[in-house]
Amino acid sequence: EAEVAQSPRYKITEKSQAVAFWCDPISGHATLYWYRQILGQGPELLVQFQDESVVDDSQLPKDRFSAERLKGVDSTLKIQPAELGDSAMYLCASSLSGSASYEQYFGPGTRLTVT
Amino acid sequence: AQSVSQHNHHVILSEAASLELGCNYSYGGTVNLFWYVQYPGQHLQLLLKYFSGDPLVKGIKGFEAEFIKSKFSFNLRKPSVQWSDTAEYFCAVNANTGGGADGLTFGKGTHLIIQP
Repeated sequence: EAEVAQSPRYKITEKSQAVAFWCDPISGHATLYWYRQILGQGPELLVQFQDESVVDDSQLPKDRFSAERLKGVDSTLKIQPAELGDSAMYLCASSLSGSASYEQYFGPGTRLTVT
Repeated sequence: AQSVSQHNHHVILSEAASLELGCNYSYGGTVNLFWYVQYPGQHLQLLLKYFSGDPLVKGIKGFEAEFIKSKFSFNLRKPSVQWSDTAEYFCAVNANTGGGADGLTFGKGTHLIIQP
C-alpha cells in the first residue's frame, strides 16, 4: 500500500538554528498538508498545497516558517530560526483533490526537539 | 472557523466493555466528520468518516459513529473493546462547501487504554 514518506523521523536542533523537513506524498495526490502536533494536542494545520500552489497558510508563522512544493510533488517545510516552542511532531498528509470528504493519508511525522 | 471538542482525554476500560467517545464540533455550515486513530508507534489512520446520507456510519475494526446534527455531535462507539484498541483517538472536521479538500480541524484526542 502506498504511503506518505517523511524525513528525517527525528531531529534535534539548538534554538536559533535552521531546520528543514521533507515530505513525499502518495503518487497522484494533488493536495498536500503540513500539520504540527504538540504533545497532548491534536494536529493543527500549518499549510495546504494544491499542486504547487498554497491554498491556505493562514496558521503558518510566516516570520520563521516557510513551505514550498516547487514541482507539485514533494514538499519542504523550513523553520529559521527555531525556537524552543517549536518542539513538536510535524506531520505531512496528502489526499486526492476535488472533494473535502476525501481521506487524508498521514505520514509517520518528524519529531523535532529544540534545545 | 471550526472547532472540535473531545470530552474524555483519558479513558481506561476492561476488555469486552462497551466504548463511547464524545465529540462535539462548532461550525455554522455543513461539515464532513472523521475519526482517526493512532496506535502506538504508528501513523494516524482513518477509522471512519461521514459526509452525507445515513448518519450512522460504520468503520474499520467494528467501530461506528453517529452524526446528530441537532447536537453537533459525532460520537464514536464500539460494543466490545479489545486490548488491541489501545490507542489515541482523534475526532476531526472540515467544511463541506463543495469546493476543494480543506484541511482538518482536530480535537485534542482521547487516550484509550484497554486492560486485559
